[in-house]
Amino acid sequence: KAGVTQTPRYLIKTRGQQVTLSCSPISGHRSVSWYQQTPGQGLQFLFEYFSETQRNKGNFPGRFSGRQFSNSRSEMNVSTLELGDSALYLCASSPGGVPYEQYFGPGTRLTVT
Amino acid sequence: GIQVEQSPPDLILQEGANSTLRCNFSDSVNNLQWFHQNPWGQLINLFYIPSGTKQNGRLSATTVATERYSLLYISSSQTTDSGVYFCAVDNYGQNFVFGPGTRLSVLP
Repeated sequence: KAGVTQTPRYLIKTRGQQVTLSCSPISGHRSVSWYQQTPGQGLQFLFEYFSETQRNKGNFPGRFSGRQFSNSRSEMNVSTLELGDSALYLCASSPGGVPYEQYFGPGTRLTVT
Repeated sequence: GIQVEQSPPDLILQEGANSTLRCNFSDSVNNLQWFHQNPWGQLINLFYIPSGTKQNGRLSATTVATERYSLLYISSSQTTDSGVYFCAVDNYGQNFVFGPGTRLSVLP
């Protein structure tokens, strides 16, 4: 079974721009979660989608948004990029039941200049 | 929300040594996982262990849910074990809270 894939792997953007990151979960998994990792704040939960609905949301500003498609692929969008948005963005998939085991993708490393 | 602590923050070992990493959490959990983050940032699943004991080769883990801690044991460490080890928990909220990690360096 193929693992979680994320595209692109690396991205450089300018402050004020917007960016869209993509995540394809493991086949059959219906839940996709997004996390941000920075040296100062560690790994923080952004949001989780299940069957195209946002089921849970972390404590991030509205500039961070996401969506999930009917094939369970998910995208996250960050608008009006700030320097502090530079981070490793990790996507995780799980079957969706409770409790669950999460499997992580390789991440997208975003640099904002 | 739930708080997660990991100790020690840093650990330096000689190849072949054994180590124990600890994860404390502040509330009851229905999910706990241990991960190893490699130098490229990939989080690799080590154990899914909300309670009990599991072993996988040189690694084993124990979670005592009633006392709110989990331990990760690494025996006969190898240089490839180097990296950051994270504990992550979920207390019925459908999202993981990660600990700050333990950075392990195994010297040849």
